[in-house]
Amino acid sequence: DVVMTQSPLALPVTLGQPASISCRASQSLVHSDGNTYLNWFQQRPGQSPRRLIYKVSNRDSGVPDRFSGSGSGTDFTLKISRVEAEDVGVYYCMQATHGPGVTFGPGTKVDIK
Amino acid sequence: EVQLVESGGGLVQPGGSLRLSCAASGFTFSSFWMSWVRQAPGKGLEWVADIKGDGSEKNQADSVKGRFTISRDNAKNSMYLQMNSLRAEDTAVYYCGRGWLANWGQGTLVTVSS
Repeated sequence: DVVMTQSPLALPVTLGQPASISCRASQSLVHSDGNTYLNWFQQRPGQSPRRLIYKVSNRDSGVPDRFSGSGSGTDFTLKISRVEAEDVGVYYCMQATHGPGVTFGPGTKVDIK
Repeated sequence: EVQLVESGGGLVQPGGSLRLSCAASGFTFSSFWMSWVRQAPGKGLEWVADIKGDGSEKNQADSVKGRFTISRDNAKNSMYLQMNSLRAEDTAVYYCGRGWLANWGQGTLVTVSS
């Protein structure tokens, strides 16, 4: 089974400053079809999760362009170019390459210093 | 606009049963895989089960295999999760999701306690 890890697990950030979250998979997430099914989700306090990024680097509709995803193989990164107050919450990476089902990382809690 | 609305949660005793529903609208329901994901209080996200658009393929997490059954009724644009032999560790908010979780519902809380 694929194990997803994230670092850091807690990330205090300063408003207006950049932030970066790392996600690592225990095996390559490159699918036999050539795609890499690595997604990022944001869960604000008291809300349902919301997908931000799909297939490593594609932003979902309505997601601000300060969010970006990158990486390949087993190592991936979510970056926020300039943190805003509304970005507080927990961020999860998720792989859908190796089924059945999907696997989430443990989550990274982002809050304001 | 895609909408997913879960219902059916509540308080149930250990060993009991519950059936969750997910009502979908705003997209061609039968064309999409659908999933159940749960989140225990203060914990992370855990995939529970998923089902193909035509219902011909189903998958479940090992933690619920043999106890939970996923199903769907495309005529009613709805998905279900029949949960039997419930345990305290099944206590969680249960979310339904479309496809590779591009969209989520608001969740329904299941509490297993005596």
